[in-house]
Order: sequence, then C-alpha cells, then structure tokens
Amino acid sequence: KNEVEQSPQNLTAQEGEFITINCSYSVGISALHWLQQHPGGGIVSLFMLSSGKKKHGRLIATINIQEKHSSLHITASHPRDSAVYICAVHSGGGADGLTFGKGTHLIIQP
Amino acid sequence: DAGVIQSPRHEVTEMGQEVTLRCKPISGHDYLFWYRQTMMRGLELLIYFNNNVPIDDSGMPEDRFSAKMPNASFSTLKIQPSEPRDSAVYFCASSLAPWLAGANPDTQYFGPGTRLTVL
Repeated sequence: KNEVEQSPQNLTAQEGEFITINCSYSVGISALHWLQQHPGGGIVSLFMLSSGKKKHGRLIATINIQEKHSSLHITASHPRDSAVYICAVHSGGGADGLTFGKGTHLIIQP
Repeated sequence: DAGVIQSPRHEVTEMGQEVTLRCKPISGHDYLFWYRQTMMRGLELLIYFNNNVPIDDSGMPEDRFSAKMPNASFSTLKIQPSEPRDSAVYFCASSLAPWLAGANPDTQYFGPGTRLTVL
C-alpha cells in the first residue's frame, strides 16, 4: 500500500503570505488529488493531477512524478483559506488503491 | 441542484444496534462513493458504485458493513451490528467520472457527512 506523507502537519501564517503544503508518496500513482476540508467538516475536491501543474484562482498544484512529490501553493492567503488540506493518491486497482494523507491544518490569521 | 444530501447528520446509537446511513447523489452523476473519516485513520474509501452497481468494495472493513444503491438517486450504508470502533464521520460523494484514475471531469462532490457515535 502507498505511504502518503504530508508536511507540515500544522501551519499558521499571516494573511497575504505565500503558502506551500507538500505531499510525498512511496509508490507510483495514476492520479493525485488535493482536497480541502472546511472547519465545519465539509470537503471540497480541489485538483486532480497526473502530471505538470494546475491553477485555479489563487491555488496552484504541481506534481513531480519522478520524485513522487506534489505541492499545493496558495498565493495571497486569506483567513477563509483556513482549512485542512488533504492529499490523496491512487496507485491503480480499485478502492483499496486509494490512500489519503493525514492532512495539513492551515490557519491564516488576519 | 442541492448537492449531495446525507441523512441523518448525526446518529448516536448503542453497540449492537443496526445503523443505516442514507445518501442522495447529485442528479446525473454516474458514480457514488462512500468514505469514512476517523482521527486515527483519516479518510478511507469504503465502496463505490457506477450506474447503481457496486464496482469495488475492497475498502469495506468487514462483513458487518453493507451498501446498496437501489436506484440512481439513493444509496444506503448499513452497519449491523454496530461497534464503538465504527464511530466516525461517514461521507458520501458523487461524480460524473470515476475520479479515482484521474478521469475528467475531475471533480468529486462531497455530502456534509453523517457523524456516527456508537456507545
């Protein structure tokens, strides 16, 4: 089973700062997903990556397949970005091929 | 569309009781997923359906868990008998594409979750 590590586990930053959250995995994958879980518990699917980079608003996700690593960047961070960001990788196969990271708890202070 | 609807939002039950969680996916979505989230294990995919047919239940923890999708607008996850270690938040999600293997469109829509507490 794939091992997924996220760093940092917790991050507190000031409004406006550039944020980077990292995700590393141990086994080759077919896709990597970034999810956002709001303080109330709701989950939003942000990105799916299999190569390269994707951008949506102030969020940018990159993946390096050779290094088995992905990063999620937030530019001009805002308190409403405060959430848990979860990385998930699919190593092929079925449901048991999907592995989630433990999440990065981000707090943006005004 | 109202999004993915789950009921109940909270459930408290005693060990040994049967628990049924319900989900209504977004209309037109062919794929439905059930997840469980705990502090210890994080998020886990339990089972997913395509066009009402269970495709993969390899994430279901044991025989006490079962899921059905009798039609395109309704699914249930049942635990019988329930145990305290089943306490978790259970999420249902739906999508147009399999999502797992990176198919496009790549967005999965999650319901608000059901918080289950088994005493």
